[in-house]
Amino acid sequence: DADVTQTPRNRITKTGKRIMLECSQTKGHDRMYWYRQDPGLGLRLIYYSFDVKDINKGEISDGYSVSRQAQAKFSLSLESAIPNQTALYFCATSPQGYPYEQYFGPGTRLTVT
Amino acid sequence: GEDVEQSLFLSVREGDSSVINCTYTDSSSTYLYWYKQEPGAGLQLLTYIFSNMDMKQDQRLTVLLNKKDKHLSLRIADTQTGDSAIYFCAETSFRSNTGKLIFGQGTTLQVKP
Repeated sequence: DADVTQTPRNRITKTGKRIMLECSQTKGHDRMYWYRQDPGLGLRLIYYSFDVKDINKGEISDGYSVSRQAQAKFSLSLESAIPNQTALYFCATSPQGYPYEQYFGPGTRLTVT
Repeated sequence: GEDVEQSLFLSVREGDSSVINCTYTDSSSTYLYWYKQEPGAGLQLLTYIFSNMDMKQDQRLTVLLNKKDKHLSLRIADTQTGDSAIYFCAETSFRSNTGKLIFGQGTTLQVKP
């Protein structure tokens, strides 16, 4: 079984709709991250969380919000989706301490029409 | 701010060696990583190197780090068609103490039979 899972894997939604992407992990890691990937831009950090009560904005948090429901679950919400939020979204986890290697889920491909 | 740069594309013949290059700007980089992304999949950690090392070898993979020039490379020996993927370089530093990774744009490796 995959250690980091994301649901849904694909989603098409309309402008203005609220959408939630979910991430679950069985690795027992405290740290979780949400990234978006756009062609030619690499991965950009949206939000990260060190534990259930510690949530931080990344470099591109505008238009997004997150919820850390439990150590194993970290959700990303788009309150009012817009077309330029069309992208591939990845969740990742890492253990405490160096080397902070991150383990990624399979991604959610989101299309906003 | 921190920046990581990679060339976007590399094409090699099966059986040849591949060398993927990366440059970074953060002189306090502590760990540097190589990730592989196959089509439709998340990022898979290939290897990482601590900044006080010059080289790390793991089977067909060799990582070279030139800290003076802030240059990192990944050499894949005897490249196979299954190595075709996007390869991302990433770095983190003690200064951030967050475990946040800064990613390059990714290098697409095409392996021709």
